[in-house]
Amino acid sequence: GENVEQHPSTLSVQEGDSAVIKCTYSDSASNYFPWYKQELGKGPQLIIDIRSNVGEKKDQRIAVTLNKTAKHFSLHITETQPEDSAVYFCAASKVGTGNQFYFGTGTSLTVIP
Amino acid sequence: DGGITQSPKYLFRKEGQNVTLSCEQNLNHDAMYWYRQDPGQGLRLIYYSQIVNDFQKGDIAEGYSVSREKKESFPLTVTSAQKNPTAFYLCASSAQGRYEQYFGPGTRLTVT
Repeated sequence: GENVEQHPSTLSVQEGDSAVIKCTYSDSASNYFPWYKQELGKGPQLIIDIRSNVGEKKDQRIAVTLNKTAKHFSLHITETQPEDSAVYFCAASKVGTGNQFYFGTGTSLTVIP
Repeated sequence: DGGITQSPKYLFRKEGQNVTLSCEQNLNHDAMYWYRQDPGQGLRLIYYSQIVNDFQKGDIAEGYSVSREKKESFPLTVTSAQKNPTAFYLCASSAQGRYEQYFGPGTRLTVT
């Protein structure tokens, strides 16, 4: 099955700096890669996603890049704000085979004011 | 107000008892999913259902059971056979032909 690894497990940045979270996956057939933000005691919220036919996608301060050859993808948050503090999860999926998601172990991001 | 609701938010049970967690969605989504989340780990899939009256096991189905009698409801029963039932349980849904999964607020189950 698919194995998704996520690094780092914790990340602290100063407000206004950038944050980068990286994930690798093992199954070259995976074709959909979402990122979720989870605040304490709440369900994960989809913040951005990318499909395997695209190398980069951006939405305001958030961007995701995908390198299919190396089987890794990254989340980039620019101009970080205290409200960006949360746990972020990456996932990989082979859409069309039950749409099962395989999640990374999460990155706890703290933005220091 | 559309979305996914899970109830209750906190649930306490004694060891040896079965317990059923509720998940309801009014998004008209066809597929529904149950995940388990443990501290320091990613979400792991327990069961999923793509249509009414049909469901498949995920990676950690042992000790759990589900039903899908209605499109909008996908209850999860944690049985006494589940060895470590204390966890945060998350329900998700997705629309047919769409990649995205949307999550409910979760139920924290504590078994003592």
